[in-house]
Amino acid sequence: NAGVTQTPKFQVLKTGQSMTLQCAQDMNHEYMSWYRQDPGMGLRLIHYSVGAGITDQGEVPNGYNVSRSTTEDFPLRLLSAAPSQTSVYFCASREREKTHGYNSPLHFGNGTRLTVT
Amino acid sequence: EDQVTQSPEALRLQEGESSSLNCSYTVSGLRGLFWYRQDPGKGPEFLFTLYSAGEEKEKERLKATLTKKESFLHITAPKPEDSATYLCAVQARNGGATNKLIFGTGTLLAVQP
Repeated sequence: NAGVTQTPKFQVLKTGQSMTLQCAQDMNHEYMSWYRQDPGMGLRLIHYSVGAGITDQGEVPNGYNVSRSTTEDFPLRLLSAAPSQTSVYFCASREREKTHGYNSPLHFGNGTRLTVT
Repeated sequence: EDQVTQSPEALRLQEGESSSLNCSYTVSGLRGLFWYRQDPGKGPEFLFTLYSAGEEKEKERLKATLTKKESFLHITAPKPEDSATYLCAVQARNGGATNKLIFGTGTLLAVQP
């Protein structure tokens, strides 16, 4: 299994440009999510999905869109890039939520390093 | 407010010098505490899950423990390959459809030969 695969690994955008960060997993996980990691801050949840066709907002959703048409793929779209979106973006997946709300651990991709100038 | 604090921010050890990393938390109902290891340029890699106070988990030179207020990651006789950032994350019961996961900012560990 490849696990969670993210592309591209690096990207430089100009302010106002749009782009899509790709994420794919081959573990048949129902739950997928996007996080951003910034220096001095913990990983912050952007959007998540509990299954195909179902998405919801996390802690910092503004400026980002997601969709989930298949179990395997969960792309993140930047609508109009801003310098504040310069960050490292991680996609993560896990098995469906267990009974009584106890979660399985997340499996992370290796990230996309985005710079917005 | 739910919060996770890791200390120290950075730790430098000599090879073989044992130490502990701390993860303190305040959450409204703990559902689980996760430890991850993150190497430079890589995504976090899962190490342990702890669910209740008193629980312990071990893997090679690492041992994680949990109390009602904090978790420790003990590193016994570390080697240079243990150098990484160690992240702690707490799953809180928030009553929603998906329980909230809160990450600490990590401890950067450097083990010198």
